[in-house]
Amino acid sequence: AQTVTQSQPEMSVQEAETVTLSCTYDTSENNYYLFWYKQPPSRQMILVIRQEAYKQQNATENRFSVNFQKAAKSFSLKISDSQLGDTAMYFCAFMNRDDKIIFGKGTRLHILP
Amino acid sequence: DAEITQSPRHKITETGRQVTLACHQTWNHNNMFWYRQDLGHGLRLIHYSYGVQDTNKGEVSDGYSVSRSNTEDLPLTLESAASSQTSVYFCASSELQNSPLHFGNGTRLTVT
Repeated sequence: AQTVTQSQPEMSVQEAETVTLSCTYDTSENNYYLFWYKQPPSRQMILVIRQEAYKQQNATENRFSVNFQKAAKSFSLKISDSQLGDTAMYFCAFMNRDDKIIFGKGTRLHILP
Repeated sequence: DAEITQSPRHKITETGRQVTLACHQTWNHNNMFWYRQDLGHGLRLIHYSYGVQDTNKGEVSDGYSVSRSNTEDLPLTLESAASSQTSVYFCASSELQNSPLHFGNGTRLTVT
């Protein structure tokens, strides 16, 4: 069974700094998709970024980028120039070929003014 | 705009009662999912459906049931609510094949 592990339950960084959130996963499949979701205090789940496992190039969305290491089964999220609005819970997620998405337990990120 | 709507937003019920949480999406997605979110556990899959008349159990399906009579709706029923089912419930949908999930805004259920 696939598993997703986020080893950092909580993190705090100063505004404008860069922060990296860690995620590792376990699977025997070769083709899959990875996602990072953001959940602000409003409780809404917001897709931040996605990565296809067959693509070697790391995905980027504005200030958000990933470091995808397929052999190491690692999928970290980097937030550059962090902003107060980035304060949220962040979930790493894995999608298998059955289209089911499995989530990690989340990292609570605090951006400090 | 297409959307996915959950109701109610908050619900308080008593132990032993049957409760149904509604989920309605206008994306015309075939895939629909129910998750529960608990502190320290992230989101865990309860049930999911790939289309009308199709339902499947997730990792925490005990005490829950779903039915899919049309594309738009996947109601989640707690047959006999227990305090352990106090949680925030999220419904989500996706297109076929490798698409990210679109989430509803969640239902906070409290079982007293």
